[in-house]
Amino acid sequence: GQNIDQPTEMTATEGAIVQINCTYQTSGFNGLFWYQQHAGEAPTFLSYNVLDGLEEKGRFSSFLSRSKGYSYLLLKELQMKDSASYLCAVRGTKAGNTGKLIFGQGTTLQVKP
Amino acid sequence: GAVVSQHPSRVICKSGTSVKIECRSLDFQATTMFWYRQFPKQSLMLMATSNEGSKATYEQGVEKDKFLINHASLTLSTLTVTSAHPEDSSFYICSAKRQGSTDTQYFGPGTRLTVL
Repeated sequence: GQNIDQPTEMTATEGAIVQINCTYQTSGFNGLFWYQQHAGEAPTFLSYNVLDGLEEKGRFSSFLSRSKGYSYLLLKELQMKDSASYLCAVRGTKAGNTGKLIFGQGTTLQVKP
Repeated sequence: GAVVSQHPSRVICKSGTSVKIECRSLDFQATTMFWYRQFPKQSLMLMATSNEGSKATYEQGVEKDKFLINHASLTLSTLTVTSAHPEDSSFYICSAKRQGSTDTQYFGPGTRLTVL
């Protein structure tokens, strides 16, 4: 089967660093995406990993280990506006197919003052 | 940019009526678009993959005769919920795949459907 696991909820303090983990088991692997979703809104693209290692983009970084089926999203210098759900999604088919994504259940992050 | 629009943003309808939702990629062409639904505090569930110029591919358990998908051009896909019932009330979100090195999906703002 195909499975993506994330913690359901996390709480962190403004200005701190938080790491949101994601583990996956899918048939084939062709990329892992992180999206941010504020309540009542559509997801917005944050990052993409297809090779092992760390991708840094401003305050956000994402890491991938394909051998371990593991990724994390690292948020630095947390701001109140970072309170949102963070979705881990894996593209489980090879390029050239439809490229559909399999989403985890999302991690709701609450940033407190 | 990679902008995807969705219309309407919110719709309330009576049970038994049909509702059409449009998804447009505004600044890129998308041969593939996706339709999701999301219940409160849950993640996105893929309903179907919309392919320009061909039939949509539906996920297991999704009734293709109830959720009609048309992808008539490289920038427009439509989802029609036929004979809507209260259990169809949900947040419907489309995404468009922008072809390139990452083939990233960009999401529309979503449509909140309420069936009375």
